[in-house]
Amino acid sequence: EPEVTQTPSHQVTQMGQEVILRCVPISNHLYFYWYRQILGQKVEFLVSFYNNEISEKSEIFDDQFSVERPDGSNFTLKIRSTKLEDSAMYFCASAGYEKLFFGSGTQLSVL
Amino acid sequence: QKEVEQNSGPLSVPEGAIASLNCTYSDRGSQSFFWYRQYSGKSPELIMFIYSNGDKEDGRFTAQLNKASQYVSLLIRDSQPSDSATYLCAVWDSNTGNQFYFGTGTSLTVIP
Repeated sequence: EPEVTQTPSHQVTQMGQEVILRCVPISNHLYFYWYRQILGQKVEFLVSFYNNEISEKSEIFDDQFSVERPDGSNFTLKIRSTKLEDSAMYFCASAGYEKLFFGSGTQLSVL
Repeated sequence: QKEVEQNSGPLSVPEGAIASLNCTYSDRGSQSFFWYRQYSGKSPELIMFIYSNGDKEDGRFTAQLNKASQYVSLLIRDSQPSDSATYLCAVWDSNTGNQFYFGTGTSLTVIP
């Protein structure tokens, strides 16, 4: 069964460093999303992406964040200068036929 | 701002009982409704989806949708300890850029 793949599963970084989280969505899906979840809290929407551009973004998705689809398969989330409060689980998701499927997540720890 | 409301729980039921999870949503234009199960430290997993008013059954799970009341529920029959997880309600709206809106989740514990 097709699945959304995320790498790495864990990322530890120093405050102020740049991180890139990677995702391979399900191949025939057209809509891509990033969500994050701080430990014990709700799943929060960050950004959605369609037709090679951002379709919607939340207040969380400020200038420190960017997304790219550098080739036909990968979808990346970049955080330019990480802060302590960026520590969270980051989920990539893709949607096809009105259903949303999540990757297994990247646990980001900012020290 | 579209709202999806769930009782955060925790909800505890004995093994073998029926667990009932509820969700309300604010936007009457919402078109599709989903239930996700999330185990601690894992990603949300889609377990049920429903588009039309009424009931939809899949194994031990039944999703119920009432668009007039803007209410969607999930029933889990013969609850098992492995059903212990957080259950997220989600609503999809194609009119706002194909966005999925999530509730805060209900924590369910099934007691052996």
